[in-house]
Amino acid sequence: NAGVMQNPRHLVRRRGQEARLRCSPMKGHSHVYWYRQLPEEGLKFMVYLQKENIIDESGMPKERFSAEFPKEGPSILRIQQVVRGDSAAYFCASSPFGPQGINEQYFGPGTRLTVT
Amino acid sequence: QKEVEQNSGPLSVPEGAIASLNCTYSDRGSQSFFWYRQYSGKSPELIMSIYSNGDKEDGRFTAQLNKASQYVSLLIRDSQPSDSATYLCAIHTGNQFYFGTGTSLTVIP
Repeated sequence: NAGVMQNPRHLVRRRGQEARLRCSPMKGHSHVYWYRQLPEEGLKFMVYLQKENIIDESGMPKERFSAEFPKEGPSILRIQQVVRGDSAAYFCASSPFGPQGINEQYFGPGTRLTVT
Repeated sequence: QKEVEQNSGPLSVPEGAIASLNCTYSDRGSQSFFWYRQYSGKSPELIMSIYSNGDKEDGRFTAQLNKASQYVSLLIRDSQPSDSATYLCAIHTGNQFYFGTGTSLTVIP
């Protein structure tokens, strides 16, 4: 059973470009969470999605950032017009159940975004 | 006030000793609690989940939860050098998971 997959593992973008990060949850998982981790800091919640729905995006900056989880295909975190402060590790986690169930999260390997 | 607080460490223990990691949280409504291990440059790996007061044991790991004191701990028995990592405490409240900044553990051979 494959784990959570993320790609690319490393992404370099120049200021002003767009970054697209992809996440495929574990088989049977329909709940996806995105986190950002800066060096020496903890994981910060960004957004929680189910298939075709954004459940909670309160942790995501209102400008330049967007996320989707279409009916078919991976979840995508999109960052438009990247700035140097966007450089971080972005992790995706998936869970088989929502908040009311046994909601253990399993993390993907992450995407390390570097903005030059 | 932060949702989840952990001592950043570093915590050093000799090989074979018990390592004790602690975590406090602010939201009394939290229902689910987790410990993750994160090696440098890697993603968090789930070690333990605990949902009710008391102890939960899994191999060398024991998680302890005290909801009245809003306190979660992780004990690692017979610590091994391979246990050297950062340990993250996480709580689930509402739709969100909140993570502490982690405690760095070093097990000295």
